[in-house]
Amino acid sequence: DIVMTQSPDSLAVSLGERATINCKSSQSVLYSSDNNNYLAWYQQKPGQPPKVVIYWASTRESGVPDRFSGSGSGTDFTLTISSLRAEDVAVYYCQQYYSTPFTFGPGTRVDIK
Amino acid sequence: QVQLHESGPGLVKPSETLSLTCSVSSDSVSSSNYYWSWIRQSPGKGLEWIGYIYYTGSTNYNPSLKSRVTISIDTSTNQFSLRLSSVTAADTAMYYCARLPHQNNYMDVWGKGTTVTVSS
Repeated sequence: DIVMTQSPDSLAVSLGERATINCKSSQSVLYSSDNNNYLAWYQQKPGQPPKVVIYWASTRESGVPDRFSGSGSGTDFTLTISSLRAEDVAVYYCQQYYSTPFTFGPGTRVDIK
Repeated sequence: QVQLHESGPGLVKPSETLSLTCSVSSDSVSSSNYYWSWIRQSPGKGLEWIGYIYYTGSTNYNPSLKSRVTISIDTSTNQFSLRLSSVTAADTAMYYCARLPHQNNYMDVWGKGTTVTVSS
């Protein structure tokens, strides 16, 4: 199984400031045949299911604000919220869909400082 | 828009079988464009992918659960289902159903989830 790790476990950021979350996979999730990274990011607010914000490591899901961006390749990835808003308070998970079993990171909690 | 809704007993006794159904609206489980999946979330194990089914009936299960899991699909009712046998307290979790695009297997639509507790 591909093991996903995330750092930090939690972070508190002032409104309007940048939040950066890191995700690392135990093996590359870059598919050489199509040059895509099979990595998604989800946002989960309390009492709600996860909601995809980024797929293919850097493609924003339709309707997701452009303050969310994803970057990275191979085994190291980053989710950035460029200017934190109150509604962004949530737990964020990365997930690899390169191979089954699909696996998730443990999550990073983002709060307001 | 597409909606998924989980249903089933909220309480299951140890050693019995957990059975859940996911009802799909505004899409068809017969579509060749998607897989239909189950995921669970518990405080102890985080998010865990259980498996998925395609409209053809082909399945792919998490090896950690494979001996106990069956996912089935009913195109006549536009539903798919999860059965997990021989449950223990470790199977207590929020269970979600979700849709996965066939060419891009992230979970693009999720149900709201249903809590299942395993207890006598």
